[in-house]
Amino acid sequence: EAGVTQSPTHLIKTRGQQATLRCSPISGHTSVYWYQQALGLGLQFLLWYDEGEERNRGNFPPRFSGRQFPNYSSELNVNALELEDSALYLCASSLLLGTGNSNQPQHFGDGTRLSIL
Amino acid sequence: QKEVEQDPGPLSVPEGAIVSLNCTYSNSAFQYFMWYRQYSRKGPELLMYTYSSGNKEDGRFTAQVDKSSKYISLFIRDSQPSDSATYLCALLKARDDKIIFGKGTRLHILP
Repeated sequence: EAGVTQSPTHLIKTRGQQATLRCSPISGHTSVYWYQQALGLGLQFLLWYDEGEERNRGNFPPRFSGRQFPNYSSELNVNALELEDSALYLCASSLLLGTGNSNQPQHFGDGTRLSIL
Repeated sequence: QKEVEQDPGPLSVPEGAIVSLNCTYSNSAFQYFMWYRQYSRKGPELLMYTYSSGNKEDGRFTAQVDKSSKYISLFIRDSQPSDSATYLCALLKARDDKIIFGKGTRLHILP
């Protein structure tokens, strides 16, 4: 079974530019989550998509946005990049989590390392 | 008060020792408890997933949850150098969607 895949592995941008990160979930998973892992800050929840809709977002400004496609893959877009956006961006997928009778854990990809110069 | 506290380490132990990793949490609503292992330049890998109080064993790994003390542990028996990684605890409330992660403990197993 293929795991969560993310692309690109590394991305280098300059301040003010826009970045697009991509994620393909595990086959059969409908929920996709995005996290930011900055040095010293741990995993910070960014966004949750399920069935094409944004279900929840973390405490990040609106320049962090995304979408989920009909095949459940997802994009994270970061506009007006700032130096502090440099981090590892992780995508995770799961079956629908937290509602109904099923609470399934999240499985992570290896991330996109975004560096802002 | 932070929702989850985890000692960042680093924790260095000799090969073959028993390792104990711990997290404390403040909200009694957490019911699902997970441990992830993260190697350098890799994403977190799910190790253990438990519901409510009690123990769960998987090979050399044992996850323990004490809800009365709001304390969770991961034990690694017969530790190997390949166990050297960062270990993150993660907690989830029932009917919730946002997993709360600890900041991770860096573990070094010395050959």
